[in-house]
Amino acid sequence: KNQVEQSPQSLIILEGKNCTLQCNYTVSPFSNLRWYKQDTGRGPVSLTIMTFSENTKSNGRYTATLDADTKQSSLHITASQLSDSASYICVVSEGSGYALNFGKGTSLLVTP
Amino acid sequence: DGGITQSPKYLFRKEGQNVTLSCEQNLNHDAMYWYRQDPGQGLRLIYYSQIVNDFQKGDIAEGYSVSREKKESFPLTVTSAQKNPTAFYLCASSITGTGGRTEAFFGQGTRLTVV
Repeated sequence: KNQVEQSPQSLIILEGKNCTLQCNYTVSPFSNLRWYKQDTGRGPVSLTIMTFSENTKSNGRYTATLDADTKQSSLHITASQLSDSASYICVVSEGSGYALNFGKGTSLLVTP
Repeated sequence: DGGITQSPKYLFRKEGQNVTLSCEQNLNHDAMYWYRQDPGQGLRLIYYSQIVNDFQKGDIAEGYSVSREKKESFPLTVTSAQKNPTAFYLCASSITGTGGRTEAFFGQGTRLTVV
């Protein structure tokens, strides 16, 4: 069964610090991997997308990496801000791309 | 503006009543999805549709129904058969572009509460 596992489940960091979130998947055949940010009570918003041939993608202070051989991805947040407090969800698409497999998300809290 | 619109944002339902959640998109996306999100859990797929007049059950379709009469619209009905309908419901649409990039966009969600 296709699975997407994220870790840690939750994380608390001080404002200004860096952090890294992990995503391991068993989805096959792999199409692409996307990281989303979801604020409480809102819909997820896309941060990055990577296909099989891409191993890193940046979006401002967010940098995602992908190792398609080990089926692992990470999202690194640099110089965290209070507004980074949200749930971060890893989504892996399979096959033609229509099937979306969601991780349970990592809940990040940035404190002053 | 282009995007996905869900309505209403908050919805209250009495036990035993059916209720319909609206989802409209003007992105010209072929595929649309309905997900349910419960506290501490990931998104779970209820139904999805890849084309007009066709839809498929997801992992937790029992107690729900959908229709796809128009490309832009994918309403979800929560029936009285759904035993635990209180949740946050998210609608999404996607299009597969070049190189396998699936561009998926989400609505802002509908919070359904059974009273």
